[in-house]
Amino acid sequence: SQKIEQNSEALNIQEGKTATLTCNYTNYSPAYLQWYRQDPGRGPVFLLLIRENEKEKRKERLKVTFDTTLKQSLFHITASQPADSATYLCARVSLGAGGTSYGKLTFGQGTILTVHP
Amino acid sequence: EAQVTQNPRYLITVTGKKLTVTCSQNMNHEYMSWYRQDPGLGLRQIYYSMNVEVTDKGDVPEGYKVSRKEKRNFPLILESPSPNQTSLYFCASSSAGTQLSYEQYFGPGTRLTVT
Repeated sequence: SQKIEQNSEALNIQEGKTATLTCNYTNYSPAYLQWYRQDPGRGPVFLLLIRENEKEKRKERLKVTFDTTLKQSLFHITASQPADSATYLCARVSLGAGGTSYGKLTFGQGTILTVHP
Repeated sequence: EAQVTQNPRYLITVTGKKLTVTCSQNMNHEYMSWYRQDPGLGLRQIYYSMNVEVTDKGDVPEGYKVSRKEKRNFPLILESPSPNQTSLYFCASSSAGTQLSYEQYFGPGTRLTVT
């Protein structure tokens, strides 16, 4: 079966440094990977999607890479701030025969990021 | 305001007493899902729906039922709740389409305790 794994349960870094979170997957490559942010007691909030044929995607201080050889996606937050402290989730979007999503997602366990002032 | 709403937000119940958690979205989204979130296990999909009257099992459907009679509503039904269904539940919706990000919009969550 398909698995999405975020190896680090927690990551602690100093303010201003770059945070790098890892998402690994097994078996065949997911066509789409998403990254979400979740604050305590709240629902996840979508950040970025990267497609299989995209090596890199950026949004402000966020960068996501997709390495199909390593079966891995990396999520970077540059110039991190204490306000970036949250749980970050990656998710695989399953596609149907027509190449479109049919609503099934598989999430990793999440990585708790703490940025210290 | 575009949103997904869930009710109730908190619920404490006893084993075997049927309950329904409602979910509603105002974005005219085709897809809706239910997830449960447990420490160490992350978010796991219970059921998802591609449109009205079209639903399918996610990864952990046992003990749950859903229905999609209207596009905006997707209630989660626990016919006979058990303590192992104590969890934080999220409803989510998203729009269909190949050019989109398949962004899931999540509700605020329902914390369920079954004693």
